[in-house]
Amino acid sequence: AQSVTQLDSQVPVFEEAPVELRCNYSSSVSVYLFWYVQYPNQGLQLLLKYLSGSTLVKGINGFEAEFNKSQTSFHLRKPSVHISDTAEYFCAVSPRNSGNTPLVFGKGTRLSVIA
Amino acid sequence: GAVVSQHPSWVICKSGTSVKIECRSLDFQATTMFWYRQFPKQSLMLMATSNEGSKATYEQGVEKDKFLINHASLTLSTLTVTSAHPEDSSFYICSARPSKGANVLTFGAGSRLTVL
Repeated sequence: AQSVTQLDSQVPVFEEAPVELRCNYSSSVSVYLFWYVQYPNQGLQLLLKYLSGSTLVKGINGFEAEFNKSQTSFHLRKPSVHISDTAEYFCAVSPRNSGNTPLVFGKGTRLSVIA
Repeated sequence: GAVVSQHPSWVICKSGTSVKIECRSLDFQATTMFWYRQFPKQSLMLMATSNEGSKATYEQGVEKDKFLINHASLTLSTLTVTSAHPEDSSFYICSARPSKGANVLTFGAGSRLTVL
């Protein structure tokens, strides 16, 4: 089984400052990793994913994440945030070659960007 | 890219009535769809896995007779909340995995159910 831990439930940050949202996972098998963003009253939008290859993954809206296998982490970063980045961010994991296995989500981190 | 349409986005109903939520994959075929439930300020909780042409697989604690799932075609899955009660009020989100391609889920925009 897999589990995901997002250590920070809320992260306030000033506009144009950098931000890092932390994600650690636990799994006995190799996994795929994802970050999703959810704006109020909306579904989830894929920010980025790690399937294989380079451990530094670039996504939409200037976000990037780095897969660290030894630390079982997949932290999300952005060098300069905007007000529009205020949202809930979910880290998720799925076993490789999982067939019909659904994603397992972390509890989410609410990013609040302050003007 | 892959698009999942969910309808209705908002629904208000009286206690005791049934509500159907549709989840459609618009530009791809999905043999598997997932239904999640999200309470305010919480993460997504998987309710069930919907497989085209077969019975859905429900997570522990989810009443299959209350949350009826039908996946009759490769592009449509429906969730029916039967005899809804106020405690069923929640945000329901579906997601679909393309039958072919990478293991990436595409999510619908969600359906907010309010039971009075």
